[in-house]
Amino acid sequence: SQQGEEDPQALSIQEGENATMNCSYKTSINNLQWYRQNSGRGLVHLILIRSNEREKHSGRLRVTLDTSKKSSSLLITASRAADTASYFCATDAAYTGANSKLTFGKGITLSVRP
Amino acid sequence: DVKVTQSSRYLVKRTGEKVFLECVQDMDHENMFWYRQDPGLGLRLIYFSYDVKMKEKGDIPEGYSVSREKKERFSLILESASTNQTSMYLCASSLLEYTEAFFGQGTRLTVV
Repeated sequence: SQQGEEDPQALSIQEGENATMNCSYKTSINNLQWYRQNSGRGLVHLILIRSNEREKHSGRLRVTLDTSKKSSSLLITASRAADTASYFCATDAAYTGANSKLTFGKGITLSVRP
Repeated sequence: DVKVTQSSRYLVKRTGEKVFLECVQDMDHENMFWYRQDPGLGLRLIYFSYDVKMKEKGDIPEGYSVSREKKERFSLILESASTNQTSMYLCASSLLEYTEAFFGQGTRLTVV
């Protein structure tokens, strides 16, 4: 079963606005990652936050993690038309045998209008 | 830069055929993954491997098998392709547990 669930499913904003995307998950994790996918292509890693971290920044990206609520958010500031893509959260939860598997949510479609 | 290469970008196969999807990574990564991606369902893990000749089932292994004879190569096999296996297939690799994954460009498989 999929571990992460993103919210909202789709988001449409104007260029220059901020975009906030949320992810909730079910079981304890080692880390949480966000990926981006342009139409019909493979996924590109954006940022990784470990379970003992609460906030992380990378350029215009800000990720927060609340392990007590089992949730994370991805903020893209000053959005650009080029940010139009699908965004996925992925969790890396240890399971029996101690070999982790990376599982993804269904994704959020972000449209940034010029 | 890490490169993950999938053998085909587009593939059309007939029902009942045995299909091989190949994936090669060039950065000596330990872990390799196969996902399928369908509209509204996101990415679902089929199989993964954390070492040569080692494999673990993901969430939807039925109808698939995998092979990892060499560290850099991870193959997904559809033993007898069916129309419900029409999908985008994505291969990924990562160096260690709990690190970022690098994806191939995807193979869009159509089974007719």
